[in-house]
Amino acid sequence: GESVGLHLPTLSVQEGDNSIINCAYSNSASDYFIWYKQESGKGPQFIIDIRSNMDKRQGQRVTVLLNKTVKHLSLQIAATQPGDSAVYFCAENWGNAGNMLTFGGGTRLMVKP
Amino acid sequence: NAGVMQNPRHLVRRRGQEARLRCSPMKGHSHVYWYRQLPEEGLKFMVYLQKENIIDESGMPKERFSAEFPKEGPSILRIQQVVRGDSAAYFCASSPPVGTGTTDTQYFGPGTRLTVL
Repeated sequence: GESVGLHLPTLSVQEGDNSIINCAYSNSASDYFIWYKQESGKGPQFIIDIRSNMDKRQGQRVTVLLNKTVKHLSLQIAATQPGDSAVYFCAENWGNAGNMLTFGGGTRLMVKP
Repeated sequence: NAGVMQNPRHLVRRRGQEARLRCSPMKGHSHVYWYRQLPEEGLKFMVYLQKENIIDESGMPKERFSAEFPKEGPSILRIQQVVRGDSAAYFCASSPPVGTGTTDTQYFGPGTRLTVL
């Protein structure tokens, strides 16, 4: 769902460690979820998606977990690298005709070398 | 295959002027979406268009803002009589047409950063 704030929550991890970024979404009717990565001054970059009929999906170094019972989404990044430093947003598609995405407030990931 | 293109990347306007933001979707994409982002916040949906049609404009302010996606050429987001509160990053996204199985996935452009003086 929407969370608006002046300061993004920050996750600081050591290079090589695994990162877990969490997101609470707002609409139990949402049927499609996407994680985006946004670097400073750039547009959101698609990372991985998952549909509501799944609870886990894996990509290259990334895994998304979906818990529909508590409306929770997480992004796991394995062996975090300095290039992973960015703001990460989850987005949900309510499945209506508008096809619009509703973005969460974002988490800033900082990777320490 | 070029990604979503937006121009200009940076736009400075004085209060009362008009701002025109352009978006060219990815090749083969017929759905365009506009979002607005304030610093340290997530993107907020504004409008969803297909060629020559506005499908959903529920996120658009009722006044001064308009959008179009003509049969030929880029999609345009137009802001008339800009005010300081319009300063933000405006992102365009595009997605494939219905029937390709990947309609929902939206790919974003680099954005236009509008500054109103």
